[in-house]
Amino acid sequence: DAGVIQSPRHEVTEMGQEVTLRCKPISGHNSLFWYRQTMMRGLELLIYFNNNVPIDDSGMPEDRFSAKMPNASFSTLKIQPSEPRDSAVYFCASSFVQGYEQYFGPGTRLTVT
Amino acid sequence: GQQLNQSPQSMFIQEGEDVSMNCTSSSIFNTWLWYKQDPGEGPVLLIALYKAGELTSNGRLTAQFGITRKDSFLNISASIPSDVGIYFCAGRPGANYGGSQGNLIFGKGTKLSVKP
Repeated sequence: DAGVIQSPRHEVTEMGQEVTLRCKPISGHNSLFWYRQTMMRGLELLIYFNNNVPIDDSGMPEDRFSAKMPNASFSTLKIQPSEPRDSAVYFCASSFVQGYEQYFGPGTRLTVT
Repeated sequence: GQQLNQSPQSMFIQEGEDVSMNCTSSSIFNTWLWYKQDPGEGPVLLIALYKAGELTSNGRLTAQFGITRKDSFLNISASIPSDVGIYFCAGRPGANYGGSQGNLIFGKGTKLSVKP
């Protein structure tokens, strides 16, 4: 069975550009999570969805960040406009039941110059 | 927000040694999870614990859910070179947590390296 799929794996962009990260959760999982990982702050939860509905977006740093989940098999995290301090690894994770075992994708390494 | 204290931050291992690490919290957790992250990859779930006192093994790995529900331990027996990486604990807070019940709180990680 396929795990969580994320694309792209690497993204290099210039400050001010729009960035879209994509995630396909494990089939049958109904909770999806977006995390950001940096050396300084570790793993931070940005937002999570339950049954495609955003439940908690308190971790989204600014209005420049937005996330959508149009259906059970796809989610996007968008940063517009991007800034150098957004450089990090962004992970998507999914779980069958909210609050239990989460399975992570391979991550997208974002570099904003 | 809620914090998990994971220790040690880093440790060096020699092949064959046993390794121990732990996570503590000031408040009660209902679930404890242990993950391992290799460079350039996402965290991989190793062990999940759901009941206070629970002791669960996965090969050479053994994890325990503390009786107080405020801590968890991970032990690796007879370490091998491929055990190097970063180990994260994660917990689901109890009902009196002010934040969302769906969240996992992550520790900062324990980095395992091979002794030079």
